[in-house]
Amino acid sequence: RKEVEQDPGPFNVPEGATVAFNCTYSNSASQSFFWYRQDCRKEPKLLMSVYSSGNEDGRFTAQLNRASQYISLLIRDSKLSDSATYLCVVTRSGYSTLTFGKGTMLLVSP
Amino acid sequence: DAGVIQSPRHEVTEMGQEVTLRCKPISGHDYLFWYRQTMMRGLELLIYFNNNVPIDDSGMPEDRFSAKMPNASFSTLKIQPSEPRDSAVYFCASSLVSGGQNYGYTFGSGTRLTVV
Repeated sequence: RKEVEQDPGPFNVPEGATVAFNCTYSNSASQSFFWYRQDCRKEPKLLMSVYSSGNEDGRFTAQLNRASQYISLLIRDSKLSDSATYLCVVTRSGYSTLTFGKGTMLLVSP
Repeated sequence: DAGVIQSPRHEVTEMGQEVTLRCKPISGHDYLFWYRQTMMRGLELLIYFNNNVPIDDSGMPEDRFSAKMPNASFSTLKIQPSEPRDSAVYFCASSLVSGGQNYGYTFGSGTRLTVV
C-alpha cells in the first residue's frame, strides 16, 4: 500500500461549484499534514497546513481525521484559477522529509 | 528572498552524456532535498542533506546518480552516464525544521531533463 493515496481525477467542475478532495495515509505515526498546489509545468507550492482541529483559509477548508487516517480539502466557489493539481503531503514527527501523494487534478470550466 | 534557484531550466542531452543539475537553497534553510517527478511515479525523494551533510540517499536510483553539497548555498545532482529513462523534472527544495516541526518546503522551478 502506498504511504499517501489520492484519487488522481481529473475532477471537472463548473465555476462556482464546491469540490472536495480526499487523501488517505498509511503510517499512523504521521504527524504533520499539508496540501500543496502544482500548476501545469510549475513547481509545487504550499497551499495550507492541516491541523487536527481543521482549518480554513478563505474558500479553502482542510480537515484531518486521525482515527481514519484521512485528510480532506474542500474548495468553495471554484474559480478558473483553481485549476491545478492538488498534492496531499504527510510527514512524521521529528522527520524532515515530506511524503507526497501523486496528486488530484482539478479542472474548473466557465 | 529570491527563493530556491535551480539551473538549468531545461536540459536536452544525448544518452551517455554527463548531466549536472544545480541548486541554490534559501538562505538560512538547513535542509535541502532533491526530488524527481514523472507522470507515472509522481514526486520521488532522491536524497536530502542537513547542514550540508547527506542524510538519506536511499532514493537515488543507481550509482549513476550522485549529489553533493559543498556549502550551505550550493548543491549539485549529477547523472553519469545519462539514460533515456532519466528523463523527468528534477526539483530541488529547501526547508527549515525547528523544534521537531517541519514548516514545509519551498521548491525551485525545476530542471526539465530530456535524454535522447
